[in-house]
Amino acid sequence: DSGVTQTPKHLITATGQRVTLRCSPRSGDLSVYWYQQSLDQGLQFLIQYYNGEERAKGNILERFSAQQFPDLHSELNLSSLELGDSALYFCASSETQGQVSPLHFGNGTRLTVT
Amino acid sequence: QKEVEQDPGPLSVPEGAIVSLNCTYSNSAFQYFMWYRQYSRKGPELLMYTYSSGNKEDGRFTAQVDKSSKYISLFIRDSQPSDSATYLCAMIVPDSWGKLQFGAGTQVVVTP
Repeated sequence: DSGVTQTPKHLITATGQRVTLRCSPRSGDLSVYWYQQSLDQGLQFLIQYYNGEERAKGNILERFSAQQFPDLHSELNLSSLELGDSALYFCASSETQGQVSPLHFGNGTRLTVT
Repeated sequence: QKEVEQDPGPLSVPEGAIVSLNCTYSNSAFQYFMWYRQYSRKGPELLMYTYSSGNKEDGRFTAQVDKSSKYISLFIRDSQPSDSATYLCAMIVPDSWGKLQFGAGTQVVVTP
C-alpha cells in the first residue's frame, strides 16, 4: 500500500458531464501529481501541486483543472467530458517539490465516458 | 519519436529464470531513473530509483544505467509467478518538477 488514497475507484458518466476525482497524499508528502493513463498514450503527466500551489503543467486540457487544499488533499476536475477522456487517472505524491523524492502512486480512478 | 522507448512485450519466462527489461531514451538531460511495477487494476509501485550511471541492487532486482548509450535495464533474478506484471521505466530531468517521462511498459508473464 503506497499510502496514497484515491476516490472513487470507478466512475461512469456521460459525454458533456463534469466529474471530480479526489486524492489524499501520503502522510507528510507536500507534492501531489496527477497522471492520465490510456492504452494509446501510456502514462502522461497532467499537473503538479506543492503545498497548495501549482508548480508544473503537462499535457492537461483546458477542460481539466485541479487544486490542492490546505489539508493537502487534491481534486482533479474534468468538465465537458468526451469519449476520449475515458482513462485511468492516477494521483501520486512525494515529499518535496523537486525531483529528488520518488513518486508514490495511488490505485487510480477508472473513468468511463459513455 | 518518443523520448523513452520500451518494448511492450509480452515477455514470457519460466519460473526461476532471469527477466531482462530495458529502455532507451533520447534526452541526454535525464538524470534520475526509476522502475515501476504495475499489477492489473493497480497503480504503479516504485521498485528501483537510481541517479546517473551505474548499478543498483535490491534483493532480486538489479537496475543498470548507461548514460553514454542512453540505455537502462532492470534484471529480476529467480523470477516468480508473482512477478507477472507490467514494468514501466521512468526518468526525469532535474528541476522539471516531477514530470516523469514514462516508457510504454513491458508486460511480463512468469509461468510456473
